[in-house]
Amino acid sequence: EIVLTQSPATLSLSPGERATLSCRASQSVSSYLAWYQQKPGQAPRLLIYDASNRATGIPARFSGSGSGTDFTLTISSLEPEDFAVYFCQQRINWPPTFGGGTKVEIK
Amino acid sequence: QVQLQESGPGLVKPSGTLSLTCAVSGGSISSSDWWTWVRQPPGKRLEWIGEIYHGGSTNYNPSLKSRVTISVDKSKNQFSLRLSSVTAADTAVYYCARAERSTPYTLHSWGQGTLVTVSS
Repeated sequence: EIVLTQSPATLSLSPGERATLSCRASQSVSSYLAWYQQKPGQAPRLLIYDASNRATGIPARFSGSGSGTDFTLTISSLEPEDFAVYFCQQRINWPPTFGGGTKVEIK
Repeated sequence: QVQLQESGPGLVKPSGTLSLTCAVSGGSISSSDWWTWVRQPPGKRLEWIGEIYHGGSTNYNPSLKSRVTISVDKSKNQFSLRLSSVTAADTAVYYCARAERSTPYTLHSWGQGTLVTVSS
């Protein structure tokens, strides 16, 4: 089973700042990596699929990059609604697995 | 826009069977999508349980395969999860979700989730 390690666990930033989140895989997942956002009490929302493709309706300030074992989710300028937990997920191997999440909190 | 909503008992006794249903609205369960169950135990990461296609094909996580059954009811536009022989380790928020055929195992829509506690 592929293990996804996310860092940092918590990111404290102010609105308007740039957020850089990392996801590292225990073995190559090629580009088969997705990013999701989750807010308390809400359903998770798909942001990025296959490493760099924004899902429908996702603002351009969200971008994804990487391949193989190292991936990055970047939020170019944090909006108040972006403070949430973000987690990554691989789909190259069965079963698909998730990272432990990064919480982006208001500084 | 496809929406999903989980329902079922919030409390299950140890050794019992957990049963949840996911109602699909805004789309047909007979589409080309895969219908998925995922769970998140308190303080732990999300875990993929399994998925079903409307034709009945299923894929289950090997760690749960001996205890899991996922089924679909086309007449009610819903799908269900059954997990047998539950223990406290099965306490979790259970989510139903949808994966599109074009991007297998990528979850484009999720339900809000429902907490199931295993306790006597």
